[in-house]
This record gives sequence, structure tokens and C-alpha cells, in this order.
Amino acid sequence: AQSVTQPDIHITVSEGASLELRCNYSYGATPYLFWYVQSPGQGLQLLLKYFSGDTLVQGIKGFEAEFKRSQSSFNLRKPSVHWSDAAEYFCAVSNRDDKIIFGKGTRLHILP
Amino acid sequence: GAGVSQSPRYKVTKRGQDVALRCDPISGHVSLYWYRQALGQGPEFLTYFNYEAQQDKSGLPNDRFSAERPEGSISTLTIQRTEQRDSAMYRCASSSPSGRAVQHGELFFGEGSRLTVL
Repeated sequence: AQSVTQPDIHITVSEGASLELRCNYSYGATPYLFWYVQSPGQGLQLLLKYFSGDTLVQGIKGFEAEFKRSQSSFNLRKPSVHWSDAAEYFCAVSNRDDKIIFGKGTRLHILP
Repeated sequence: GAGVSQSPRYKVTKRGQDVALRCDPISGHVSLYWYRQALGQGPEFLTYFNYEAQQDKSGLPNDRFSAERPEGSISTLTIQRTEQRDSAMYRCASSSPSGRAVQHGELFFGEGSRLTVL
């Protein structure tokens, strides 16, 4: 069965600094990969997704993620964070039969 | 509707009572998912439907939990004989006008139903 690991429960960065959130997955074939964001008291919103092709995918709000098959990773990056990026970020994985499994999340804190 | 609608938004019940949580997906969306999210945790998969067919119920914790979507639109998640450990946010999501949720790639989540079992 597929699984997702987000090793960092909390990450704190200064406003304007770069960001990388880690995600590792376990799955026998090439999975479909996603990053979602959840602001406090809100639902989840899709940031970006990877199905195939170019391993560097661009998403909304200036985020990008890179699929690295050799490392079973799909890390989320942003060159310069804004205070409004403070939220919880979830990596998710799916195989071809449509069940989408989420990681436990990384909470991002932004220092002014 | 314009978005995924869940009701009730908040439910407080006593241990042993049955509860029914409702999800009204985005009009035309074929796939409907139920997740449970404990505080500080990620969404935990419970079950999902394509049209009225329940495709996977492997995430339902035990036989007290059941879900249905009889006409392929509105879905109900029922928890019988609730226990305190059932307290959580229950989130519904819908996806995919084409019927292929993963290929579409985006789940649209409702605001959730927060269940508290006393």
C-alpha cells in the first residue's frame, strides 16, 4: 500500500527566506503526487500535482515541487515566503485506482 | 451547488448515540471522498464513491462506520454507537467531472463536520 511521510512536523522560516518542505512516498510504481495547503479553519486547497512528464512542476502562489524517483521524494519549494504562506501543508499520493492518501502535514511558521 | 456543502458543521453527541453526516458535492462531480482529520493530523482516508458505487471502504475504522451515496450525488456517513475516539473533523471532497478523480488531480473539500462525542 502506498504511504506518505512528511518528516518535519513544524518548520519556521523568516519572511523573504526560501522554503523547502520534504515529502517521501512509498509506492511500487510511479505515483501521482500532490501538495495541498490548509489555512487555519479552512479546507484544503490544491497547490500543485505531478502525473508524468517534466519532473519540476509549478503550482499556484509561487510554489514548485520536484519529483525525484531515485529518492522517492516530492519536495515543495518556494524561493521567497510571504507571511500569508503560514499554514499547514500536506503531501498526498495516489496510484491509478483513485484512492488519495495524505501525509500528516508540516506546519509552516513565518517570522516577521 | 457552487462548492461542497457539509452538514451539520458542528455536532455534539453523547457516547452511544448514532450520528449521520451529510455531504452535498459539487454538481456534476462523479467522485466523492470521505476523510477524517484529527487535530494536528493529516486527512485520513475513509472511503470513496464513483457515482453511487462505493469503490473502496478500506479506511473505515470498524463496522460502526458506514457510508452511502444512493443516487450518485449526496452522501451520508453514519457512525453508530459513537465513542469518544470518534471525535474529529470529518471532511468530504468531490472531484472529477470526468469520473477519473486522480487524473483530474484536484479534490474540492467541504468545510467539514466537527464531531464531538462526550
